[in-house]
Amino acid sequence: KQEVTQIPAALSVPEGENLVLNCSFTDSAIYNLQWFRQDPGKGLTSLLLIQSSQREQTSGRLNASLDKSSGRSTLYIAASQPGDSATYLCAVTALPHDYKLSFGAGTTVTVRA
Amino acid sequence: DAGVIQSPRHEVTEMGQEVTLRCKPISGHDYLFWYRQTMMRGLELLIYFNNNVPIDDSGMPEDRFSAKMPNASFSTLKIQPSEPRDSAVYFCASSFAGLLNLKGGYTFGSGTRLTVV
Repeated sequence: KQEVTQIPAALSVPEGENLVLNCSFTDSAIYNLQWFRQDPGKGLTSLLLIQSSQREQTSGRLNASLDKSSGRSTLYIAASQPGDSATYLCAVTALPHDYKLSFGAGTTVTVRA
Repeated sequence: DAGVIQSPRHEVTEMGQEVTLRCKPISGHDYLFWYRQTMMRGLELLIYFNNNVPIDDSGMPEDRFSAKMPNASFSTLKIQPSEPRDSAVYFCASSFAGLLNLKGGYTFGSGTRLTVV
């Protein structure tokens, strides 16, 4: 069974600092990996998706890397802002036609103004 | 589009009562997912449907839980009888086959916070 772990569980940084969030998974046979953002009382919003054949994806201040062989992904958020405060979850999909997302527990980020 | 709509937003019920959670997916989406989120276990997939047919219900905890999708625009998750350990946030998500492996392919509802006392 796929186990997804996110470290740290919580992170507090001053505005402007870069954020580094880690995700690891036990079964390297993944099809893709996604990073989601969750705001309190809201659903999840997809931030980035990396196919298993890719090494990284970028969107604005966000960059996600994937090392499939070692079972790791890292989400970098540059020049953090208070609006980045949220919980960030990573999720993996095992097969092209298996649409179950296996989620990590998330990292709760607080960016202090 | 109003997105995925879940109701109620909050539900407080007594142990032993029946609870029904509702979900309206985005029009045109042919996949619907039910997830449960707790502090202890995080987000777990309970069941998902394709074209109103249950495809994988291996995450449904036990017989007290049942889910139906009578048509393409409505799904229910029922717990009978409810227990305090069922307290969680239940999310519904929908998608379209061509989107599932793309960023933003899943649209999540805002969730139903269930408290069983």
